[in-house]
Amino acid sequence: ELKVEQNPLFLSMQEGKNYTIYCNYSTTSDRLYWYRQDPGKSLESLFVLLSNGAVKQEGRLMASLDTKARLSTLHITAAVHDLSATYFCAVATGANSKLTFGKGITLSVRP
Amino acid sequence: SQTIHQWPATLVQPVGSPLSLECTVEGTSNPNLYWYRQAAGRGLQLLFYSVGIGQISSEVPQNLSASRPQDRQFILSSKKLLLSDSGFYLCAWSAPGVEQFFGPGTRLTVL
Repeated sequence: ELKVEQNPLFLSMQEGKNYTIYCNYSTTSDRLYWYRQDPGKSLESLFVLLSNGAVKQEGRLMASLDTKARLSTLHITAAVHDLSATYFCAVATGANSKLTFGKGITLSVRP
Repeated sequence: SQTIHQWPATLVQPVGSPLSLECTVEGTSNPNLYWYRQAAGRGLQLLFYSVGIGQISSEVPQNLSASRPQDRQFILSSKKLLLSDSGFYLCAWSAPGVEQFFGPGTRLTVL
């Protein structure tokens, strides 16, 4: 059974500082996705990582994938309040693109 | 462009009542369709997925069922709701092997 782990469940960040959050998973996969969820809202796709060594950047967020270590990182540069949300990673298995989600990390940016 | 709709947006139902949630996708053909439930604002649990009309795969045993009467329509049903069925229900679609895109969700409260 595929397990996807995100730690910690909650992270308080100081505005302007850099942070990295992690997602690790238990079985082989070369497709990993990051989603963002604002309170009471649906999930918004952030990054699609499809191969070992893949790196994607959007604004202050940068995601990378190491399939050998079964690890993805999401790096936050100079945190701002707008980044406060819950971030989920999800790992795909099978041709039907079934996703197994981590429990999510809730980020809160304080002044 | 593709869009995904869910209704109703919110629903309050008594225990033992039936349920029908609907999801439709526009702008694509033969999508993979998924139903997820998110309880207590945390991780997502895949309930059902479908790769074509009339083809439904169930991921967890429960008192819910799903149907796909048309190519771009996915319905989640229950004959008798339980308190534990409360949660945020999300429908998603994807092309095979590609990221999933989520609908706006239905918030269900069972009293």
